[in-house]
Amino acid sequence: GENVEQHPSTLSVQEGDSAVIKCTYSDSASNYFPWYKQELGKRPQLIIDIRSNVGEKKDQRIAVTLNKTAKHFSLHITETQPEDSAVYFCAARNYGGSQGNLIFGKGTKLSVKP
Amino acid sequence: DVKVTQSSRYLVKRTGEKVFLECVQDMDHENMFWYRQDPGLGLRLIYFSYDVKMKEKGDIPEGYSVSREKKERFSLILESASTNQTSMYLCASSHEYTGELFFGEGSRLTVL
Repeated sequence: GENVEQHPSTLSVQEGDSAVIKCTYSDSASNYFPWYKQELGKRPQLIIDIRSNVGEKKDQRIAVTLNKTAKHFSLHITETQPEDSAVYFCAARNYGGSQGNLIFGKGTKLSVKP
Repeated sequence: DVKVTQSSRYLVKRTGEKVFLECVQDMDHENMFWYRQDPGLGLRLIYFSYDVKMKEKGDIPEGYSVSREKKERFSLILESASTNQTSMYLCASSHEYTGELFFGEGSRLTVL
């Protein structure tokens, strides 16, 4: 089955710097890669996702890149702000019809220092 | 606004007790999931359901069962709670084709 590795487990940056979180996956059939953000005491929420027919996707200060050959994908946050502080989870799935479940990485705790 | 509601935010139970965690979604989603969240272990799938009365095991189903009698409701059952089931439990739902998971607020269970 699918296995998703996420690095680093913790990341501390200064406000305004960029942050990069990387994930690798094992199942070459996986074709959907979302990222979830979980603020302290709150529920995880989808912030961006990418499908395997696209190499990069951007939404304002966040972007995700996908390298299918190497089986890794990354989340990039530019101009970080204190409100970006949260735990970020990557995930992967084989989006075959209604089957196939999301397999999550173990999470990255991002701290943005003012 | 999309809503997934979990019946209890905090529960304290004793070893051996039967525990019910309820989850209701109002989005007419086909898919519902129960995850367990532990520090350093991420989100691990316990059980999921793609339709009423249908259930499938996730990665860590041992010690748990589920029930889905109605489309909007998905229950997680701990038949005999043990201390190693102390955790945060997250329910989620998704549309059959879009894939985005909508999570509930979570139920923090402590088993003494």
